[in-house]
Order: sequence, then structure tokens, then C-alpha cells
Amino acid sequence: EAQVTQNPRYLITVTGKKLTVTCSQNMNHEYMSWYRQDPGLGLRQIYYSMNVEVTDKGDVPEGYKVSRKEKRNFPLILESPSPNQTSLYFCASSGRLAGIQETQYFGPGTRLLVL
Amino acid sequence: LAKTTQPISMDSYEGQEVNITCSHNNIATNDYITWYQQFPSQGPRFIIQGYKTKVTNEVASLFIPADRKSSTLSLPRVSLSDTAVYYCLVGRTMAAGNKLTFGGGTRVLVKP
Repeated sequence: EAQVTQNPRYLITVTGKKLTVTCSQNMNHEYMSWYRQDPGLGLRQIYYSMNVEVTDKGDVPEGYKVSRKEKRNFPLILESPSPNQTSLYFCASSGRLAGIQETQYFGPGTRLLVL
Repeated sequence: LAKTTQPISMDSYEGQEVNITCSHNNIATNDYITWYQQFPSQGPRFIIQGYKTKVTNEVASLFIPADRKSSTLSLPRVSLSDTAVYYCLVGRTMAAGNKLTFGGGTRVLVKP
């Protein structure tokens, strides 16, 4: 079954304690993204990756890091989490067909609470 | 990036047709129009994508006028399970980058 998986699904942590949210897709997609969703602000892109070792900032990259060492994985790293990073996080992947963006497949989300 | 404007919310009743219009006045030549559906605490799910004229699939229809400055998502005969937030996205091909901006979305409430 084609899917995007994220772990953990729920996480409570404290300010300053480094954490990693994993994302994996089994569709051999080139493109992967991370979004955060906050009430009243909709979905905002944090980082995206167009292929292995190719990443770029989205609209709200401050406080986050990503890496793309393998095509299927795109972890989101919070080196020193702060309460304003409390949010619902989504990972997404998509392929490319004849140069046209294919649809994005979203993971189930990771709800993060930073105390 | 083309900015999109959608109504904040819409109410409807079971069996009715729901039409959501999205404005994207500065859409670029290479931009496609894509609609996603999102249920609470779930990731968005693709509904339909188009470039011009009309596109129809088993879930919805997408109407795009010749000037492409707006688009209308049509959901035929909605049911209670169609209650969700619907997002209109306008973006370029992947070759030009992957910065897609989700707008605020339209919250659709289907009543019995």
C-alpha cells in the first residue's frame, strides 16, 4: 500500500531537548516536504527536498533542520525545541510525471507539545 | 507565488451540490490548480487537479475559465462525510521548485 508514515504520532517534550520526527515514503517519490499546521494559520511549509541531498527552505524554516540521505526518508530535526514549535506536523511526498507536479501524499501527522 | 483567496466557510445540506470558488489573480503560465480535502487531525488528501477548462473525476469537478484567474470546485450531492476543509493551491511544476502555499481553506459543513 502506497503511504507516507511518520513517527512518533504524538510527542510531549521540554524546551531545549533535541528531537527528531521521522518520515518515510514507499512510493519512490523524488519530492518530500514538511508542513506545520496551527489554528488560524493553515498549513505552512517548513522545508522541502527535491531529491537526495537537495533540500531548501519553505516559508517557516527557523528552528528546524532536515536531511535527505536516502530517497525514502526525510527526517525533521528540532535541535532546541521551544514552546512556539508546539504544532501539528505533516510530512508529504510527491512524484513527477512529464515535468508536472504529481499530487502530494500526506502522512498522518505528528502532534508535538513543547513544554 | 500565486496567492489564493477562498471563502472561509460554507454550509450545505445532504444531497446538495457545493461549489467553492478560489481566486488566483496572479496565476502564472506554468501553474496548475490543485484542490485538497482535509478532515480534522488528518493530512490533506488530493481531490482534483487541472490547468484549464473542465476536469472531472469520480469525486468532483473543477471548472477553470479561460483567463484562469479563478477556479471552482464542485462537489455533487454532498453527504455528511464531506464535511471538511477544502484547500485550493496554485503552483508551478516541480522543476521550478516545490514552494506551495496552502491558503486558509474553506470549511464546508454538511448538515442533515
